[in-house]
Amino acid sequence: DGGITQSPKYLFRKEGQNVTLSCEQNLNHDAMYWYRQDPGQGLRLIYYSQIVNDFQKGDIAEGYSVSREKKESFPLTVTSAQKNPTAFYLCASGGRTNSHNEQFFGPGTRLTVL
Amino acid sequence: KQEVTQIPAALSVPEGENLVLNCSFTDSAIYNLQWFRQDPGKGLTSLLLIQSSQREQTSGRLNASLDKSSGRSTLYIAASQPGDSATYLCAVWAQNFVFGPGTRLSVLP
Repeated sequence: DGGITQSPKYLFRKEGQNVTLSCEQNLNHDAMYWYRQDPGQGLRLIYYSQIVNDFQKGDIAEGYSVSREKKESFPLTVTSAQKNPTAFYLCASGGRTNSHNEQFFGPGTRLTVL
Repeated sequence: KQEVTQIPAALSVPEGENLVLNCSFTDSAIYNLQWFRQDPGKGLTSLLLIQSSQREQTSGRLNASLDKSSGRSTLYIAASQPGDSATYLCAVWAQNFVFGPGTRLSVLP
């Protein structure tokens, strides 16, 4: 059963804590992406990775960090430096840049800072 | 910088109507355009992908068109059903995906 999984579905964090959101895909996609979605706004790109051991900042990378040690996995850490982390986080995967690049999304993680 | 807009922001129609959702983008140098559906609290489901060399794509009751030169795409939904109620987003792919804010569709029984 191919697809993208994200965990946990809901996450609560106290101010000052770092938290890590998991994203795994078994679609054999090279590229993976992290987006943030806020109410009434479109998706905004946080980080993306086109290949293992390489990643680039998106439009709103401040306060976030990622790693890409395996093709299947692209975890996102929300650090204490992120001023307003409460949001819905979506992970996606797809082909490489400049190719037939249909994106597929996971079910999302809703992060709430208490 | 690429910007994507969607009109209308929200739409409410009776069941059975045919409807059109609009997506506009400012930079025509795109590789493809993708339409998604998002149900409340869920991830995005891919509906249709149109390559830059294509004019349209069809899947069941959905038809999406692309006019790169004018920076427009439309999503046509035929014979709408209450199950079509969701937010519809378009995204254009250049160096990265840029998403529109979405159109929230309600189909009333």
